Amino acid sequence: QQQVKQSPQSLIVQKGGISIINCAYENTAFDYFPWYQQFPGKGPALLIAIRPDVSEKKEGRFTISFNKSAKQFSLHIMDSQPGDSATYFCAARGYSTLTFGKGTMLLVSP
Amino acid sequence: DTAVSQTPKYLVTQMGNDKSIKCEQNLGHDTMYWYKQDSKKFLKIMFSYNNKELIINETVPNRFSPKSPDKAHLNLHINSLELGDSAVYFCATGGLEGTDTQYFGPGTRLTVL
Repeated sequence: QQQVKQSPQSLIVQKGGISIINCAYENTAFDYFPWYQQFPGKGPALLIAIRPDVSEKKEGRFTISFNKSAKQFSLHIMDSQPGDSATYFCAARGYSTLTFGKGTMLLVSP
Repeated sequence: DTAVSQTPKYLVTQMGNDKSIKCEQNLGHDTMYWYKQDSKKFLKIMFSYNNKELIINETVPNRFSPKSPDKAHLNLHINSLELGDSAVYFCATGGLEGTDTQYFGPGTRLTVL
């Protein structure tokens, strides 16, 4: 049973555009929602994270929007750059573990 | 100075063999994890160790066994390797409170022939 649903599976965005990745969760016991960025041949690295008592968090070009009532959260990448091309995972923490979405492969075209 | 290191980075072996992957962390975290990432890049937790005690075992075959000689190390032993074990295995370390998060190693790509 997948507890965190992520979409889209892949995304192509023009340089300078906005990349948007969406996630939905089912379990209200989740208490922390990180996003990870993974480049080919590397391990996932924390990008940005949010707690459920906050509706938005921004760090540079990266913003998380969180809708607790809808049990949804999303990652927005403003002014997307070719160097942002990677796989992005949303995750939710609960029951002593992280549950990951299936990932989104982002390609930012020059 | 690498926070979470794994060895080897690549491992190619025959079916039926027994192999080990080593993981070391210098972050001082109490909890260490092993994840499996399949060919579709899906990340699934296998084990979690907190202060040398196993706290999660996510229906992983008993051919897989984590061993933690001390707080900084969590090694993964795999017996009787099967074709379906081919994947990238990530070690991670971190906390589970507040804004603690997990830090991943560089991964070990295991190929079973």
